Amino acid sequence: NAGVTQTPKFRVLKTGQSMTLLCAQDMNHEYMYWYRQDPGMGLRLIHYSVGEGTTAKGEVPDGYNVSRLKKQNFLLGLESAAPSQTSVYFCASSYKEIAGGHTLSYEQYFGPGTRLTVT
Amino acid sequence: RKEVEQDPGPFNVPEGATVAFNCTYSNSASQSFFWYRQDCRKEPKLLMSVYSSGNEDGRFTAQLNRASQYISLLIRDSKLSDSATYLCVVNEDGGNQFYFGTGTSLTVIP
Repeated sequence: NAGVTQTPKFRVLKTGQSMTLLCAQDMNHEYMYWYRQDPGMGLRLIHYSVGEGTTAKGEVPDGYNVSRLKKQNFLLGLESAAPSQTSVYFCASSYKEIAGGHTLSYEQYFGPGTRLTVT
Repeated sequence: RKEVEQDPGPFNVPEGATVAFNCTYSNSASQSFFWYRQDCRKEPKLLMSVYSSGNEDGRFTAQLNRASQYISLLIRDSKLSDSATYLCVVNEDGGNQFYFGTGTSLTVIP
């Protein structure tokens, strides 16, 4: 059981280049998320997915696209990288249950992160 | 106003000390609360979940005050290995998004 994995771990891009970050989870979780983390900003949600074939925008979606063709995979694409996209990217997955009339979201499991530098 | 706010610190405490962090949230419909720890250049890892009034796990105690909309984390008998950034995370009832605080930095000094 590998949990959440991310590839690649590091990448350096030139402005205007494109790339895809891959996130994979083997816990059969419905929900998957992409975050970026910058100094002093905390984790900010880029896009998320509530199930296979679905995606939704988060807090900072501009410049990114995502796809969830398979339940276990969530891809994050940068079509034309910009220096402002230099960051650490984390993928996460989670699940929910209904208990006592409330929907409880259980904890997110994070991947190890991808360090991206755009020059 | 931010969804989740934390005191960024830094907190520098001697080994063996007790330290407490507070986190406030803005949405009264929030139902799921979490404390994560994040080590430098690593991913966040779950420390505690809180779904009712509180939770305790060894030296760590989390308490939830719904009336005042804050969650606290208490660390007793601090160890050097407790040095990390602690993230407060909140999820609304049925909501799909998790809201993160910016984290509180803790350094435990020998």
